[in-house]
Amino acid sequence: AQSVAQPEDQVNVAEGNPLTVKCTYSVSGNPYLFWYVQYPNRGLQFLLKYITGDNLVKGSYGFEAEFNKSQTSFHLKKPSALVSDSALYFCAVRDRNAGNNRKLIWGLGTSLAVNP
Amino acid sequence: EAEVAQSPRYKITEKSQAVAFWCDPISGHATLYWYRQILGQGPELLVQFQDESVVDDSQLPKDRFSAERLKGVDSTLKIQPAELGDSAMYLCASSSEGDVYNEQFFGPGTRLTVL
Repeated sequence: AQSVAQPEDQVNVAEGNPLTVKCTYSVSGNPYLFWYVQYPNRGLQFLLKYITGDNLVKGSYGFEAEFNKSQTSFHLKKPSALVSDSALYFCAVRDRNAGNNRKLIWGLGTSLAVNP
Repeated sequence: EAEVAQSPRYKITEKSQAVAFWCDPISGHATLYWYRQILGQGPELLVQFQDESVVDDSQLPKDRFSAERLKGVDSTLKIQPAELGDSAMYLCASSSEGDVYNEQFFGPGTRLTVL
């Protein structure tokens, strides 16, 4: 069965420190991988995606993510956290062989708190 | 910048009443999704449309939920009758047919409270 795991419900970091939000996945084929962010009482906003090519993907707001095929991981990173990065982060995956059904499999989310 | 529009933003209703949510996707986006998000959890896909056709409604509780996209543009999600457990955020998203990588654009959501 396809699944996405975000092992940490909450991540706390100090402003200015690097942050990592973890994601591992399980799909039958090769995946498309996504990160979305959700601010309070808002819809989800796309951050970045991995399709193919370079394993390090750069996205919005200074975020990046590294695809690791052997570890089936797609961890979200940022070199220097801002208080405004505090939000809920979701990892999602789609099997690239899914055809017309573009259903994303979503993780349960990780709440990031950046402390001033 | 084009956005997905949803209305209302907030809805409070009593159980057994009917509610309806509206979504207008980004112009030209053929694929439209309705999600339900319970507080503290990830989005759960309820229904996916490709133009006016349903692609996936396997998680839609069809005894009380219905969704339509008659002209392949905007869409309505209805719940009748509403139950206490339906309290959640209902999110609409759309993606371009040309974007095979499935980047989805989300609306602000409708927060439903059933009393």
